[in-house]
Amino acid sequence: EVQLVEAGGGLVQPGGSLRLSCAASGFTFSDYEIHWVRQAIGEGLEWVSAIGTGGDPHYRDSVKGRFTISRENVKNSLYLQMNSLTAGDTAVYYCARESTGALGAFDIWGQGTMVTVSS
Amino acid sequence: QSVLTQPPSVSGAPGQRVTISCTGSSSNIGAGYDVHWYQQLPGTAPKLLIYDNYNRPSGVPDRFSGSKSGTSASLAITGLQAGDEADYYCQSYDRSLRRVFGGGTKVTVL
Repeated sequence: EVQLVEAGGGLVQPGGSLRLSCAASGFTFSDYEIHWVRQAIGEGLEWVSAIGTGGDPHYRDSVKGRFTISRENVKNSLYLQMNSLTAGDTAVYYCARESTGALGAFDIWGQGTMVTVSS
Repeated sequence: QSVLTQPPSVSGAPGQRVTISCTGSSSNIGAGYDVHWYQQLPGTAPKLLIYDNYNRPSGVPDRFSGSKSGTSASLAITGLQAGDEADYYCQSYDRSLRRVFGGGTKVTVL
């Protein structure tokens, strides 16, 4: 079964750090660009970051310099290192696979992991 | 404010047809980038519903259809069912912002 499973969410104080992971199975992980998308409670979806098959990272402006995306193809895993967290980063974080082809849709989503930034 | 504009809510009786608009600009939809649609049932992760403007992934009923024209796109749901109650999001690529989503539309079946 094609699947993405996130982990690593939790409660962290403002200014703290957290590392999310996303484990892939059922497909050739190294062939796909993978994204992080977040959703604050009661709000819409917001694209956060992506990493291409060659390891090239991309970020939304509000997380540049604070978040780092990485992948470990031998472990079929994606990571998001989040530093200097603020209340505005509180959300459910999903990893999502981009379908093959240029600027493809997100065809596979994980179940999400909750990140709460609060003192 | 989302880069792609969707109505906050639409509603219809069972069996009716509803449409959801997604309005962008010349830097995203109007630039020719494809639009994708996602369905998010309450308490669950989003699910791909329509890709590349009008294509349905395997398993998505043909009651769901997508279209695109100029700087806008639309999702239509015909034969509305209680199980269609969900939030629906459009998504595209933006030259400046990369991936962008609409604010989401809540579909209510009366």
